[in-house]
Amino acid sequence: LAKTTQPISMDSYEGQEVNITCSHNNIATNDYITWYQQFPSQGPRFIIQGYKTKVTNEVASLFIPADRKSSTLSLPRVSLSDTAVYYCLVGGGAGANNLFFGTGTRLTVIP
Amino acid sequence: NAGVTQTPKFQVLKTGQSMTLQCAQDMNHEYMSWYRQDPGMGLRLIHYSVGAGITDQGEVPNGYNVSRSTTEDFPLRLLSAAPSQTSVYFCASSSYPTGGAGELFFGEGSRLTVL
Repeated sequence: LAKTTQPISMDSYEGQEVNITCSHNNIATNDYITWYQQFPSQGPRFIIQGYKTKVTNEVASLFIPADRKSSTLSLPRVSLSDTAVYYCLVGGGAGANNLFFGTGTRLTVIP
Repeated sequence: NAGVTQTPKFQVLKTGQSMTLQCAQDMNHEYMSWYRQDPGMGLRLIHYSVGAGITDQGEVPNGYNVSRSTTEDFPLRLLSAAPSQTSVYFCASSSYPTGGAGELFFGEGSRLTVL
């Protein structure tokens, strides 16, 4: 089962691009990589998911190298409302029905 | 659209009491799961289910029971509450059988305090 490692916290100024990296050395062949955002007193919310290379949606990009042992969530031009905890989740491959979140990265956006 | 609904939102128990946290989803999702969230520990999987009648243990199952008699409901039971079970509990569901491919939809959480 793939476990994940992320930085505990990061600070960034408004308007900057933020990159959060997650390590998952034991990722299985069929596992997906998913990122979630969580605000205080709320449940996590899906941001983006990928399997390999690069995925982009309206709020973020996800970069996955060829060996898939890490991934990087990229948030362009962050605003104060992006202050939250970001979780990397690896799993979902065939036969892997249990999913493990890491401890998350607390991103603080500074005015 | 209700999505994933958890009740109660807040609960205070005394050590040794039992209770059930309710979780219901209206999206016809096969996969449902329960997580607990403690400060500095992230989310830890308690139990999960890939369909009615099928449940399995996650990372921290001790002290909790689950059942899945219908697709919609996935209650979490604490048989004899302990202070170590003080936490925020989240229920989640997904349309994908394995839960990992695709989006997990989370409830708003249930904050439990055991005295």
